[in-house]
Amino acid sequence: EVQLLESGGALVQPGGSLRLSCAASGFTFNDYAISWVRQAPGKGLEWVSSISGRGTTTYYADSVKGRFTISRDISKNTLFLQMDSLRAEDTAIYYCAKDFAVTKHTVLAYFDSWGQGTLVSVSS
Amino acid sequence: EIVLTQSPATLSLSPGERASLSCRASQSVSSYLAWYQQKPGQAPRLLIYDASNRATGIPARFSGSGSGTDFTLIISSLEPEDVAVYYCQQRTNWPLSFGGGTKVEIK
Repeated sequence: EVQLLESGGALVQPGGSLRLSCAASGFTFNDYAISWVRQAPGKGLEWVSSISGRGTTTYYADSVKGRFTISRDISKNTLFLQMDSLRAEDTAIYYCAKDFAVTKHTVLAYFDSWGQGTLVSVSS
Repeated sequence: EIVLTQSPATLSLSPGERASLSCRASQSVSSYLAWYQQKPGQAPRLLIYDASNRATGIPARFSGSGSGTDFTLIISSLEPEDVAVYYCQQRTNWPLSFGGGTKVEIK
């Protein structure tokens, strides 16, 4: 059974940093692209970033480009999102979501498995 | 950036009725469109990919159609457990984008 478990969410001040983790199990971790998708309180879904299975290809939303960095540690079956220069508008539940087909060096970007999310709150 | 516009914002129907949800793209996305269901307090679930293909384990009452800029998700006979917000998502161009969602309620 595929499982994705996010962690690392917290209350942080504007301008601060946070690193989110997504621990994966139940599939061959480095065969599938994984993405971060966020949802502000009471709002819709917003794609944040994606990384291919082997980590060779990454994509970012304009709203986070230059501030967030996606990476993955194959030895730990874990995805990361390093978030710097945080702003109030980054407040959201952050989900990690797995591609539904093998995507070693690209990102298909249909998401068939999702974690339960981790809450990031940016406020002074 | 491709903008996806969903309508209506809210759909209120009785059990057994047919629900029709619309998703319109600001430019062609070919057939590279997915639909997700998000129930309250839960993560989204993939229903449909490539406009008309049901994901694994999705009941046959859910169907998708369309191509180019106009897409439709049909729930043929609404069940109480279908109460949720439904989102469309395109993967044609980066950045990926989601529609604003349609909330389906039971009368």
